[in-house]
Amino acid sequence: DAGVIQSPRHEVTEMGQEVTLRCKPISGHDYLFWYRQTMMRGLELLIYFNNNVPIDDSGMPEDRFSAKMPNASFSTLKIQPSEPRDSAVYFCASSPRTASFYGYTFGSGTRLTVV
Amino acid sequence: AQKVTQAQTEISVVEKEDVTLDCVYETRDTTYYLFWYKQPPSGELVFLIRRNSFDEQNEISGRYSWNFQKSTSSFNFTITASQVVDSAVYFCALSEGDTDKLIFGTGTRLQVFP
Repeated sequence: DAGVIQSPRHEVTEMGQEVTLRCKPISGHDYLFWYRQTMMRGLELLIYFNNNVPIDDSGMPEDRFSAKMPNASFSTLKIQPSEPRDSAVYFCASSPRTASFYGYTFGSGTRLTVV
Repeated sequence: AQKVTQAQTEISVVEKEDVTLDCVYETRDTTYYLFWYKQPPSGELVFLIRRNSFDEQNEISGRYSWNFQKSTSSFNFTITASQVVDSAVYFCALSEGDTDKLIFGTGTRLQVFP
């Protein structure tokens, strides 16, 4: 099993540009989560999906952020327009069936720097 | 509301010392799950253990052990005979039974010096 795959590993972009982060969950996992990690706020849940349907997006900071899961094997997190305060490490995680019971498997993260 | 507190921001020990990382949680649910994750300098989050609220048995895995006490709402993690490779940030996390969200504590940075 290849695990949760995120791309790119690093992204440097200029303020105002659109950024798209990608995630491929583990095959067969019904749940997909997007987290953001910063020094100030730690690990924050942004949004999660169950069977490709967004369940809770209350952690999405503002309208500049959007996430999609067009099929069971792919999800994107988009920031448009990006701002320097969006600089963080963004993690994707997936889990089978009842996520609480089985726990999460995290990807390696995407380190985003907005200059 | 659920909350996880890791009061120790950073701990430094010398190799072979034992070290305990504290975790205190808050929840109104009777069914919940507790987790520990390790984040080494390379940055990935590595799952260490999951415990459900109905199982208060302590667990040992090699040099790692976990002490779950519902009476004090604590789920502490002890590393015995620490090694330099244990240097990492350790996160405690909580998930309530009726939600699939995993809420993390702020983490404890452990530095093990040779």
